[in-house]
Order: sequence, then C-alpha cells, then structure tokens
Amino acid sequence: AQTVTQSQPEMSVQEAETVTLSCTYDTSESDYYLFWYKQPPSRQMILVIRQEAYKQQNATENRFSVNFQKAAKSFSLKISDSQLGDAAMYFCAYRSPSFGNEKLTFGTGTRLTIIP
Amino acid sequence: EAGVAQSPRYKIIEKRQSVAFWCNPISGHATLYWYQQILGQGPKLLIQFQNNGVVDDSQLPKDRFSAERLKGVDSTLKIQPAKLEDSAVYLCASSLVPRAHNEQFFGPGTRLTVL
Repeated sequence: AQTVTQSQPEMSVQEAETVTLSCTYDTSESDYYLFWYKQPPSRQMILVIRQEAYKQQNATENRFSVNFQKAAKSFSLKISDSQLGDAAMYFCAYRSPSFGNEKLTFGTGTRLTIIP
Repeated sequence: EAGVAQSPRYKIIEKRQSVAFWCNPISGHATLYWYQQILGQGPKLLIQFQNNGVVDDSQLPKDRFSAERLKGVDSTLKIQPAKLEDSAVYLCASSLVPRAHNEQFFGPGTRLTVL
C-alpha cells in the first residue's frame, strides 16, 4: 500500500516571501500521479498542482511549482510571492494509475500561515 | 458550472443515533467518492462508485456504514448506529471518468459531531 508523509505540521512565511512544503511517499509502482491540494477553512479541497511520475519536468502553475525527485520519492511544493489568500491546510496526495484504485491517498497536511 | 453539492453542512447527533449525508456530483461525472477526514488527518477513502456500481469499498466499516448511488447520480452515505469515533468531516468528490490524471472535484463537506 502507498503511504504519504508530510513532516511539517505547521509552516509560516512572511507575505511576498517564498515557502517550501515537504512531502515524501512510498510506493512500489513506477507510474503514478502526485497532487497538492489546498483546504481553506471552508473545507473545500482545491487542486493546486499535479505531477505525472513519468514526466521529468517539474510542474508549475503560476506562483506554485514542485520539486519532484522520483528516486528519492520526494515531492515538495514551492509557493513564491506568498499572499494572504494562500493561508490554508495543504495536503500532498498520491494516486495510482491502476483501474479500480484511483483513490487519493493523502498525507496528514501542513498548516500554512501567512504573516502580513 | 455548478460544483459538487453536499448537505447538510453540519450535523450533531448522540451516539447510537443514525445520520445520512447527501451528495450531488458535477453533472456528467461518472465517478463519485466519499472520503472521511478526521481532525488532524488527511481524507481517507470510504467508497468509490462508478455510475451506480461500487468499485472500492474496502475501507468502509460495513457493520455501520452504508452508501448508495441512485441512478448513477446522487449519492447517500448513512451511519447507523453512530459512534464517537465517527466524528469527522465527510467529503464527497466526483470525476468525469476514473482515470488517474483526471481531477477529483470536492464538495464543501459535512462536519459530523457525535456526542
């Protein structure tokens, strides 16, 4: 079974600065998908960014980018130019490509605080 | 485009009572998921439907939890009888088809408190 570990329960960053959230995972599969989700106090999970394991190029979405290290099974999220609206819980998630096993396996989350 | 709808948003019950949650996925989405998110943890899948058939219910406590998806659209998750440890947020999500690269869209969740 796959596992996802987020070792930083809480992080804080000054507004406009850059912060990196860490995530490691364990799997025996060679092909899979990784995601970062944001969960604000409203509780609705919002997809931030996704990475396909077969792609060597790191995914980017505006101010959000990842550092995907497949051999190390590491998948960190970098948020540049942090904004007050970025404050939320951030979850790293793993998804298998196998049919019938498309569930997301989540880490325990990192609470990100933005300091004005 | 309307998102995933869930109701109620909050529910407080006594232990041993019954409760039901409702989910309406995004129109046209064939796959529906129910996740349980206990405080301080990430969501955990309870059950996955493909249209009105169950694909994965391996982590559903079947002695007290049940779920159905009528006509492949709306879904209901029921707990009977509830235990204290069932206090959690119950999230519903849907995706167009069950492919790993397809985004799962989440609803706002139902926060259940069992006293």
